[in-house]
This record gives sequence, structure tokens and C-alpha cells, in this order.
Amino acid sequence: EVQLVESGGGLVQPGGSLRLSCAASGFTVSNNHMSWVRQAPGKGLEWVSIVYSGGSTYYADSVKGRFTISRDNSKNTLNLQMNSLRAEDTAVYYCARGANSGTYLAPGSWGQGTLVTVSS
Amino acid sequence: QTVVTQEPSFSVSPGGTVTLTCGLSSGSVSTTNYPSWYQQTPGQAPRTLFYNTNTRSSGVPDRFSGSILGNKAALTITGAQADDESDYYCVLYMGSGIWVFGGGTKLTVL
Repeated sequence: EVQLVESGGGLVQPGGSLRLSCAASGFTVSNNHMSWVRQAPGKGLEWVSIVYSGGSTYYADSVKGRFTISRDNSKNTLNLQMNSLRAEDTAVYYCARGANSGTYLAPGSWGQGTLVTVSS
Repeated sequence: QTVVTQEPSFSVSPGGTVTLTCGLSSGSVSTTNYPSWYQQTPGQAPRTLFYNTNTRSSGVPDRFSGSILGNKAALTITGAQADDESDYYCVLYMGSGIWVFGGGTKLTVL
């Protein structure tokens, strides 16, 4: 069974850093297209970043230069390193596997999310 | 910057048919935008309905359909049920590795 479990969320001060992880089971992260999507409280979904199975990475303009997506093949996890955090980064962060068992780029399977709150 | 547009809200009667759309503030949506659709209820993670315009995700009833209608992507629900009351989001591929979600449509069934 495919499962995605995010962790690492919490309260952080503006300008601080946080590292999110997404533990995958039932498939190999490095063989799949994997994304991060976030949702601010009461707002819609916002695409954040993607890592292709081949390793290419892309970012939304709102996080480019501050966030880094990566994979830890030894732990079968997807990570999101978030630096220079701002109040507007406050959101539930979801990791997602590409649709059609990771072969499509659009999100398919979703985790339950982890809440990041940026506040002093 | 191109914005992905969705109706903020829509209402449908039980048993009725409703079509939600996903457009671009500049230009037309085509299959090369690989439109995907998601359903979300409050406090829950999104559920994937369709990807690649009209490929139905596992477990999605066939009363849901995805298509391109005119210059927009469309999600049609035929025979709406009470538990279809949710927020619906589309996402489009904009090129250069970038995806953009629409603002979502809040569907009410009453």
C-alpha cells in the first residue's frame, strides 16, 4: 500500500529555517516524480516544488532561492529545506507522488500534511 | 503572470449536472497543460480525481468526467450527490517545470 507521512512542521520565527520530511512506503521515492504543495489557513492549494525521477528540480517563484527539495534514498524520503521563512509561508505542507504510480508529473497520491507556522 | 481561473462557487441540485471550469487569464487551456482535478473536504488532504485532462484516478465514480471545453479544462459531475459537496481545484502545467493551481471552486449541493 502506498503511504506518505509528512513530519517536521512546527512553529518557527520569521527568518528561521525548518526541514520537512515525507516518509514513503510501498514505492521507491527516487523512481517517482514527487512534489510539495501547500495550503495556507482558509486558502487554496499552492504548488511549491517538484523533483523529477531523473533529478531535475523546479520551484514556484514564491519560494525560489529559499526552499530546496531533495531526496534521501537511504531513508526513502522526500525533503523540503525551508530557509528565510516568512509569515506568508504559514501553511499545511503536503507531499505528493506523481499520478499514475509516479509516472506523471501532476500530484496523484497525497500525504496528510504537516503544519508550518511562521510567527514571532 | 498568468493566473489559473476557477469559479469561486457553484451550486447544484441533488441529481443535477454541473460543469466546473479551469481557465487561463491569458490564453487557452489545452491538453499540453495536462490539467488535473482534485477534490477536498475541510480538514482533509486533497483527493485526486483526474490527471492528464481525462484520466480518472482509481476509485473515482464515472459520474465524474474531465475534458477540454472550448478554451478551458472542465470537470463535469452528472447526477450530483450530497457527498460531492467539496472544494474542487485544478492544476495546470505552465511549462519550464512550473505548475499552478487555480483558486478552487466551492461546490454546494442543495
